[in-house]
Amino acid sequence: AQTVTQSQPEMSVQEAETVTLSCTYDTSESDYYLFWYKQPPSRQMILVIRQEAYKQQNATENRFSVNFQKAAKSFSLKISDSQLGDAAMYFCAYRPNTGTASKLTFGTGTRLQVTL
Amino acid sequence: EAGVAQSPRYKIIEKRQSVAFWCNPISGHATLYWYQQILGQGPKLLIQFQNNGVVDDSQLPKDRFSAERLKGVDSTLKIQPAKLEDSAVYLCATVEGRGGLDTQYFGPGTRLTVL
Repeated sequence: AQTVTQSQPEMSVQEAETVTLSCTYDTSESDYYLFWYKQPPSRQMILVIRQEAYKQQNATENRFSVNFQKAAKSFSLKISDSQLGDAAMYFCAYRPNTGTASKLTFGTGTRLQVTL
Repeated sequence: EAGVAQSPRYKIIEKRQSVAFWCNPISGHATLYWYQQILGQGPKLLIQFQNNGVVDDSQLPKDRFSAERLKGVDSTLKIQPAKLEDSAVYLCATVEGRGGLDTQYFGPGTRLTVL
């Protein structure tokens, strides 16, 4: 069974600084997708960034980038120039590319605080 | 475009009572998911629909939970009877295609408290 582990329950970063959230996963599949989702307090979950396992190049979306290490099964999220609006729960998620029935498996989340 | 709508936003019931949640997906989205998110945990998939057919309900406690998606659009999730451990946020998410790299769009969720 696939598992996703986020070992940092809480992280804190100062505004304008950079923070990295960790995620590791366990799978026997070779073709899969990885995602980071953001869940602000009392607001709905939104996709931050995604990565296809067969692509070696790390995905980037503006201030958000990932460090994807397939051999180590590691998928960390780097947030640059942190803003107050980045404060939220961040969930790492995995989905195997096995067809229609493939499902997202989420980690337990990392709560990010952004301070002035 | 309008997002995924869910109602009610909050529900408080006593154990052994019944409750139902409703989800209206983004127009045209064929795949619909219901997740259970217990406080302090990530969302856990309960059931996945492709149009009005069930694709995966392996983690749905079928003795008390049921779900349907009539006409491949709106969906309802029901719990009967509720237990204390059902207290959680129930999230609905939809995808235009069949999954893969497609973005899942989440609704705001229904927070259920079972007393």
